[in-house]
Amino acid sequence: GAVVSQHPSRVICKSGTSVKIECRSLDFQATTMFWYRQFPKQSLMLMATSNEGSKATYEQGVEKDKFLINHASLTLSTLTVTSAHPEDSSFYICSARADRDEYEQYFGPGTRLTVT
Amino acid sequence: ELKVEQNPLFLSMQEGKNYTIYCNYSTTSDRLYWYRQDPGKSLESLFVLLSNGAVKQEGRLMASLDTKARLSTLHITAAVHDLSATYFCAVDLDSNYQLIWGAGTKLIIKP
Repeated sequence: GAVVSQHPSRVICKSGTSVKIECRSLDFQATTMFWYRQFPKQSLMLMATSNEGSKATYEQGVEKDKFLINHASLTLSTLTVTSAHPEDSSFYICSARADRDEYEQYFGPGTRLTVT
Repeated sequence: ELKVEQNPLFLSMQEGKNYTIYCNYSTTSDRLYWYRQDPGKSLESLFVLLSNGAVKQEGRLMASLDTKARLSTLHITAAVHDLSATYFCAVDLDSNYQLIWGAGTKLIIKP
């Protein structure tokens, strides 16, 4: 099967600090990965599309300087929340599109971020 | 503007009953996805529907796609408590594989 991992699964940080979330495709290569944010009882909101070796494409309203995305290899994308504030607290989910399978996206288990 | 609308948004039903969740979308697309999300968890892929008339079944769940009507359905047969979850449909934008999401249907199945 196709497995996507995220690390950490939960993180609590203080306002003003930065947090890095890793998204890895464990058994497949993924040129394209996606980062989502989900608020309680709401649907997923696409934050950005991450392509290996190039700059991420951010959705309207998402601050690229605040949410830094790096996709340095075909199996790893990272999301860094810089100078985090309480309003950044959310559930962050990544997904990866397998290069071998055009139509399927595989989702990571999510990272719950709490900023105090 | 591309929209994906699910209904109902909330559904409470008894075990053993049948019901259908609807997913309407506003643009042409041949790819529609159904996912399940349990509380506090990420998404689990249920079905990938890739063409008009596609029908897929897994256990008590069956999904279908009518691209002409821009409608997909997720049918639950003889519901059991374990199917309680939130179900999302999503439509694939052809150009860049981005998924546009419905609001989700929270399904509660009472024993």
